[in-house]
Amino acid sequence: QSALTQPASVTGSPGQSITISCTGTSSDVGGYNYVSWYQLYPGKAPKLMIYDVSNRPSGVSNRFSGSKSGNTASLTISGLQAEDEADYYCSSYTSSSTLVVFGGGTKLTVL
Amino acid sequence: EVQLVESGGGLVQPGGSLRLSCAASGFTFSGYWMSWVRQAPGKGLEWVANIKQDGNEKYYVDSVKGRFTISRDNAKNSLYLQMNSLRAEDTAVYYCARSRGWPLHYFDYWGQGTLVTVSS
Repeated sequence: QSALTQPASVTGSPGQSITISCTGTSSDVGGYNYVSWYQLYPGKAPKLMIYDVSNRPSGVSNRFSGSKSGNTASLTISGLQAEDEADYYCSSYTSSSTLVVFGGGTKLTVL
Repeated sequence: EVQLVESGGGLVQPGGSLRLSCAASGFTFSGYWMSWVRQAPGKGLEWVANIKQDGNEKYYVDSVKGRFTISRDNAKNSLYLQMNSLRAEDTAVYYCARSRGWPLHYFDYWGQGTLVTVSS
């Protein structure tokens, strides 16, 4: 069981917006602005999409945005495109000895 | 272009050992903390270990302490993970990743991973 809770799947249509939630505790998500999001395609290197809750690395589309409220962080993808279909994982710094914890991942399907 | 390429994965029996390698290029390897992150089949990601730029500080997830050793060779731009006393639950794709932030809390570049299967 992962430390952070994400929905197992989310579905959207091209052009729509979707939001993936990531729920933790005050020891991780709620306690620090150190949430990041990763995009995973099978057999490929994971890609950093968002860091420090809402910062986008250079080269990441501005269709991807992040936010946080209390113990829940969110990744929003606007203007969905077919190539956005992938697995998305959130992570957070944690005050425990684990240092970094991840969510269980969300499979995004673009119909 | 930053590149991280893992190697060394394979099938190993329980109790056995394996050494993973990660070849880095496209950045000043000696200037960054580096990590190993794994993903068991059908499971989420799990941070395994990280190592400071000069190799003098190392941290591990509790489940691998005493069995895994992370190391690096800055002259060869390479990161390693020595895995001993392997268990079935260590079966996973192991990713090499560059660590960022302070405290360290995200990974800005990853390799494609190498699969480790622990089975008799």
